[in-house]
Amino acid sequence: NAGVTQTPKFQVLKTGQSMTLQCAQDMNHNSMYWYRQDPGMGLRLIYYSASEGTTDKGEVPNGYNVSRLNKREFSLRLESAAPSQTSVYFCASNVGGNTEAFFGQGTRLTVV
Amino acid sequence: GQQVMQIPQYQHVQEGEDFTTYCNSSTTLSNIQWYKQRPGGHPVFLIQLVKSGEVKKQKRLTFQFGEAKKNSSLHITATQTTDVGTYFCAGRGTGANNLFFGTGTRLTVIP
Repeated sequence: NAGVTQTPKFQVLKTGQSMTLQCAQDMNHNSMYWYRQDPGMGLRLIYYSASEGTTDKGEVPNGYNVSRLNKREFSLRLESAAPSQTSVYFCASNVGGNTEAFFGQGTRLTVV
Repeated sequence: GQQVMQIPQYQHVQEGEDFTTYCNSSTTLSNIQWYKQRPGGHPVFLIQLVKSGEVKKQKRLTFQFGEAKKNSSLHITATQTTDVGTYFCAGRGTGANNLFFGTGTRLTVIP
């Protein structure tokens, strides 16, 4: 079982470039999340989608946009990358409500 | 906004010693979850607590949810090298659809 799949695993961008991080889950989950992980900051919620067709801002949404393309896929877009967006990005999903979240392997993004 | 803080940020222990991490929320939580992230890996779900004052055990791990549902703790008895990693608590506000993570506690176990 694939679970939650993120692509790419690694990416280096120049300041001002744009890119989209892809996330897909095959568990028929309703809710999907994007987090960034920085040293000493834990996992911070960027955006989430409680169900297909809805998206909401998390703690740190500035500089990002998301699309819940369908029930399986939830993408994160950086329109104009900045060095402050250098981080490890995790996508997660769950059935919804108070259920366990399953994480992808992460994308390590460096903006130079 | 909702904040979930964990202490300590780092903990080094000798193998065989006990370890405890504490999680504190600024708001009442509907539930608390605990995750473990091995170095270089992704967070993996350990357990969920829902009821006020709830205590659950998984082998050497004991999880507690506070009476006010604003704090929680994870205690590991007699640590082993396989316990190395970062432990996160995560909570959801009452009626909320999001999932906020704590700042994490990185555990190092010295053989």
